[in-house]
Amino acid sequence: DSGVTQTPKHLITATGQRVTLRCSPRSGDLSVYWYQQSLDQGLQFLIQYYNGEERAKGNILERFSAQQFPDLHSELNLSSLELGDSALYFCASSVEGDFSSYNEQFFGPGTRLTVL
Amino acid sequence: QQQVKQSPQSLIVQKGGISIINCAYENTAFDYFPWYQQFPGKGPALLIAIRPDVSEKKEGRFTISFNKSAKQFSLHIMDSQPGDSATYFCAASPWGRDDKIIFGKGTRLHILP
Repeated sequence: DSGVTQTPKHLITATGQRVTLRCSPRSGDLSVYWYQQSLDQGLQFLIQYYNGEERAKGNILERFSAQQFPDLHSELNLSSLELGDSALYFCASSVEGDFSSYNEQFFGPGTRLTVL
Repeated sequence: QQQVKQSPQSLIVQKGGISIINCAYENTAFDYFPWYQQFPGKGPALLIAIRPDVSEKKEGRFTISFNKSAKQFSLHIMDSQPGDSATYFCAASPWGRDDKIIFGKGTRLHILP
């Protein structure tokens, strides 16, 4: 068990809808990362937050947004959902989040999103 | 130039055998090469990682071999066990730049008992 929790485990929704995925990092970790894992694209970095502030952006669509709250949990919001958004969404956390050193990321179990 | 190509897609190895997974990259800015292990229903977990100042790194039964001139690196699992059955991902990034990490497509490894 990595210590990172994600809810819900599974989510089934329809095209055009909006969903929110939730992540609680390991105790003491300040940085949260979101990833999308799909069969065709593999595992892709979406966005990183560090201590409440956006630190880095990857291949995140404009329809997607995230935030990190004062208690350090994070939410990933996906709107105007399309069939192609069906994927596993992982959250990971690390102690720090600066770019000067390596910070091991610990991944949560993921949320499986199915868009029908 | 951003791709990390991983092969094979799937691999079946007898218990006690050596499992070998290969990756190749193009971006010379990459200087950190981790391998992740993912079991069904779980998130990826860091298994072992290497930087280009060494050609090999060993941790228990797991070894990374790195060839900087060929821009290739591989994971060797010695004395493979059924518990090693999982999906393995190689990845590459500039050191400290988790936001620039690129993952391979993964190798599904099955160890026959």
